[in-house]
Amino acid sequence: DTAVSQTPKYLVTQMGNDKSIKCEQNLGHDTMYWYKQDSKKFLKIMFSYNNKELIINETVPNRFSPKSPDKAHLNLHINSLELGDSAVYFCASSQDTRATQPQHFGDGTRLSIL
Amino acid sequence: GNSVTQMEGPVTLSEEAFLTINCTYTATGYPSLFWYVQYPGEGLQLLLKATKADDKGSNKGFEATYRKETTSFHLEKGSVQVSDSAVYFCALSDMNRDDKIIFGKGTRLHILP
Repeated sequence: DTAVSQTPKYLVTQMGNDKSIKCEQNLGHDTMYWYKQDSKKFLKIMFSYNNKELIINETVPNRFSPKSPDKAHLNLHINSLELGDSAVYFCASSQDTRATQPQHFGDGTRLSIL
Repeated sequence: GNSVTQMEGPVTLSEEAFLTINCTYTATGYPSLFWYVQYPGEGLQLLLKATKADDKGSNKGFEATYRKETTSFHLEKGSVQVSDSAVYFCALSDMNRDDKIIFGKGTRLHILP
């Protein structure tokens, strides 16, 4: 059973398009995250939700809009895609927001903008 | 603000060599410290963690000790294998801040057979 699953695994699209990435966790966790990993492997948090409520919103363009329909799902919609959006996007979850709780990551969505 | 600094890679070793990947941190509170590993084409996986000073985390032959006096959490393994080739991330989470995890920039490890 996959703990944190995200779809699609690969996404190739043209500049200016709108796309969505979906994430689901079956761990019963309260907290979910979206990260962006660039080509140098640098990992940056974008958003975090706890019990469907937004708790972390880093400096991310408002073209990126997360949505959490329930605790088990956190989707990411991106409008007007730009070349700089090319990266691997990771979804993660943790039991709650306590600092001692580790995060569980999905396998990533590799987004390539043509 | 909080930060994590880890040695830049890539690190290339022969199989059965001793491994150390240095990690130091800056934090205003009482952070928990983590090492994550990322194998090619996969997401990050928790390797080990320590939640208070002098704790030692260990897993799969890897160890790291939370040293508050030197603000360090160096990752060590006595005898590496080819299958340990991956990118390793040091990270901290501070319960006195906003609870987000801060990751280091990652260290790529390449083990030669």
